Amino acid sequence: DTAVSQTPKYLVTQMGNDKSIKCEQNLGHDTMYWYKQDSKKFLKIMFSYNNKELIINETVPNRFSPKSPDKAHLNLHINSLELGDSAVYFCASSRPGGENTIYFGEGSWLTVV
Amino acid sequence: QKEVEQDPGPLSVPEGAIVSLNCTYSNSAFQYFMWYRQYSRKGPELLMYTYSSGNKEDGRFTAQVDKSSKYISLFIRDSQPSDSATYLCATTPSNTGNQFYFGTGTSLTVIP
Repeated sequence: DTAVSQTPKYLVTQMGNDKSIKCEQNLGHDTMYWYKQDSKKFLKIMFSYNNKELIINETVPNRFSPKSPDKAHLNLHINSLELGDSAVYFCASSRPGGENTIYFGEGSWLTVV
Repeated sequence: QKEVEQDPGPLSVPEGAIVSLNCTYSNSAFQYFMWYRQYSRKGPELLMYTYSSGNKEDGRFTAQVDKSSKYISLFIRDSQPSDSATYLCATTPSNTGNQFYFGTGTSLTVIP
């Protein structure tokens, strides 16, 4: 049973297209995140939702729009894709309290051509 | 200054060696520390979790936190080729928050 699952794993698309990445967690966590990992492996927070409410919104182009239909799902929609959007996007979740650790999905490799 | 600094390596060791991976952090408010292992084309997976100062051991892995010097370490004993991965340290100031700070990862290769 995959704890945090995201689809698609690989996505190749042309500049200017709109695409979505879906994420679901079955851990019962309240908080979900989108991270972007660059070529140097640095994980940069993009968004965080707690119980469907946006709580972290870092400086990200407004072409990126997260949507959380319920606390187990957090999707990422990207409009008008640019070459610089090529990266790996990780969905993650955590449950504050106790061992407050963050669990990641397998990643979505986005290549914009 | 980044909240967490980590030497990116790469680090290459022979099989069986003891590996030491290290991070420093800037904020004394950080209380909870984690190590993640990330294989190629995979997501980071939680390896070790520690609270405050001290050591925690799990099999061949030992996590160490020295809050006085703001230094965190991961030791791998009897390293195996399957340990070849990128290791990321992470920290958070509380167990109720949602702010996690990551190092940039150290790439490790264990040569058979």
